[in-house]
Amino acid sequence: AQSVTQLGSHVSVSEGALVLLRCNYSSSVPPYLFWYVQYPNQGLQLLLKYTTGATLVKGINGFEAEFKKSETSFHLTKPSAHMSDAAEYFCAVIADTGRRALTFGSGTRLQVQP
Amino acid sequence: EPEVTQTPSHQVTQMGQEVILRCVPISNHLYFYWYRQILGQKVEFLVSFYNNEISEKSEIFDDQFSVERPDGSNFTLKIRSTKLEDSAMYFCAISGGNYGYTFGSGTRLTVV
Repeated sequence: AQSVTQLGSHVSVSEGALVLLRCNYSSSVPPYLFWYVQYPNQGLQLLLKYTTGATLVKGINGFEAEFKKSETSFHLTKPSAHMSDAAEYFCAVIADTGRRALTFGSGTRLQVQP
Repeated sequence: EPEVTQTPSHQVTQMGQEVILRCVPISNHLYFYWYRQILGQKVEFLVSFYNNEISEKSEIFDDQFSVERPDGSNFTLKIRSTKLEDSAMYFCAISGGNYGYTFGSGTRLTVV
């Protein structure tokens, strides 16, 4: 079975500070990993994804994530937070061969303080 | 113009009534999905649809639910007899062969 754990349901940072949102997964096969962002009353927007190849993945809005197999992690980072980054962030995984359904984590709400 | 349009954006229905949620992808894709998000909870997979048939479904997707592409364009989710616990945001998603999922903006279903 596959699962996703996002540590910290709420994260608060100051504008300009480093953003670090944590995601750990469980999988018996090489996973496909995703980060989505959800702004209030909106749908899910893909930030970035890892399927194969380079383990450091760059996404939109200055976000990036690194796949670390040894740590079963896919943490999301951004060097400098902006007020517009305030949103809910979801990590998701596909970790079963032949499946395409995404399994989502419970989400992390990011607050950015001025 | 969004790649995936969902209608309606908000629907209120009485318990026991049937509802149909619609999804219109702007271009042809291989896979279609429905997910739901109960208020304050995580996004949950319901069903995926490929080549005009269900390819995967979750435990949530019981006999009360059905999906179809009636005209080769629209992709619909039907809930036959709604329950209070069906109240949620329902998202349609599409993807090609590269796991590039695109989600619609959702339909908020409120069962009263």
